[in-house]
Amino acid sequence: NAGVTQTPKFQVLKTGQSMTLQCAQDMNHEYMSWYRQDPGMGLRLIHYSVGAGITDQGEVPNGYNVSRSTTEDFPLRLLSAAPSQTSVYFCASSYSSHHNVEGSYEQYFGPGTRLTVT
Amino acid sequence: AQSVTQLDSHVSVSEGTPVLLRCNYSSSYSPSLFWYVQHPNKGLQLLLKYTSAATLVKGINGFEAEFKKSETSFHLTKPSAHMSDAAEYFCVVRYTGRRALTFGSGTRLQVQP
Repeated sequence: NAGVTQTPKFQVLKTGQSMTLQCAQDMNHEYMSWYRQDPGMGLRLIHYSVGAGITDQGEVPNGYNVSRSTTEDFPLRLLSAAPSQTSVYFCASSYSSHHNVEGSYEQYFGPGTRLTVT
Repeated sequence: AQSVTQLDSHVSVSEGTPVLLRCNYSSSYSPSLFWYVQHPNKGLQLLLKYTSAATLVKGINGFEAEFKKSETSFHLTKPSAHMSDAAEYFCVVRYTGRRALTFGSGTRLQVQP
């Protein structure tokens, strides 16, 4: 298993450009999520998905779109990049069942994408 | 608001001495608690997790944490630090009824030779 993979590893954008950060997992996990990591702030949840076709907003969703057409993939789109979106982005996945809200919810993280917006 | 507080942003210890990284969370019925480690330029790796079983949880690489409900704490300890333990550590909580995780701001552990 490759686990959770993210591409690209690094990206530099100009203000106003758009791009998609890719995330894929091969563990058949239902739950996938995107976080951004900024110095001194831990990780903050952007968007998450509990299964194909279902997405919802997290703590800091503005400026980002997501979709979940397959179980494996959960791309994050920046429609018009802004310098405030300079950050390290992590994708994560875990087992989840809508019948089982409790549980350990261990999340597996990808290696991250370092994005700079100038 | 539900939150997680890591009481130290930086901790420096000498190799071979004990490690204590402190974490407090806002009170909740049966939260799930985790510690993750992040080495430089790497993703996050799960160290250990508490899910309402034994209050003393053992993790990888000799780390352990104790859940203390009365103190709403989940401090991470290791008896003897190794140079390879130098990294950033995150205390993470999943509050009952929520799917998302709440992260602390992180503690950077330095290990001096």
